[in-house]
Amino acid sequence: AQSVTQLDSQVPVFEEAPVELRCNYSSSVSVYLFWYVQYPNQGLQLLLKYLSGSTLVKGINGFEAEFNKSQTSFHLRKPSVHISDTAEYFCAIPQGGSEKLVFGKGTKLTVNP
Amino acid sequence: GAGVSQSPRYKVAKRGQDVALRCDPISGHVSLFWYQQALGQGPEFLTYFQNEAQLDKSGLPSDRFFAERPEGSVSTLKIQRTQQEDSAVYLCASSLYNSYEQYFGPGTRLTVT
Repeated sequence: AQSVTQLDSQVPVFEEAPVELRCNYSSSVSVYLFWYVQYPNQGLQLLLKYLSGSTLVKGINGFEAEFNKSQTSFHLRKPSVHISDTAEYFCAIPQGGSEKLVFGKGTKLTVNP
Repeated sequence: GAGVSQSPRYKVAKRGQDVALRCDPISGHVSLFWYQQALGQGPEFLTYFQNEAQLDKSGLPSDRFFAERPEGSVSTLKIQRTQQEDSAVYLCASSLYNSYEQYFGPGTRLTVT
């Protein structure tokens, strides 16, 4: 079965610092991977997705992620964060060849002034 | 355009009561998903529709949970005889046919007292 592991439950950073949120996956089939962001009291918004092609994926709000097959990772990065990036971030993978998603436990990013 | 909407946004139910949660997907989206998000956790899959057909209900935690989408558009998730462990945010998502890009609604926060 496909699964994702988010290694950090909380990541505090200062404004304008770089950040990396880690995600490792487990899959025996072709890999599609997603990062979603959830602001307080809101639903999830798709940040970026890897379906095929270039392993460096650019998303919204200046985020990017790199698919690394040898390390089974899909880490999310941003070179300079803003206060408004404070949110919870979820890595996800489709389950069993279907469209239903399996999510990680989430990483809470807190950007401090 | 209009996104996925859910109602009510908040629901408080006494233990043993029945509740019905509504999801209005994006117009034209064939696929509709329900997820349950417990406090501090990632969303967990409940059930999936393609048009009016419920193709997967493997995530429904008990036979107290029932979902329907009779005309292939609006969906209702019903929970009978609510228990405290049902307290969670219930998220609905929709997508185009065979697309892995799911659009989420804001969720319904259910509190069972």
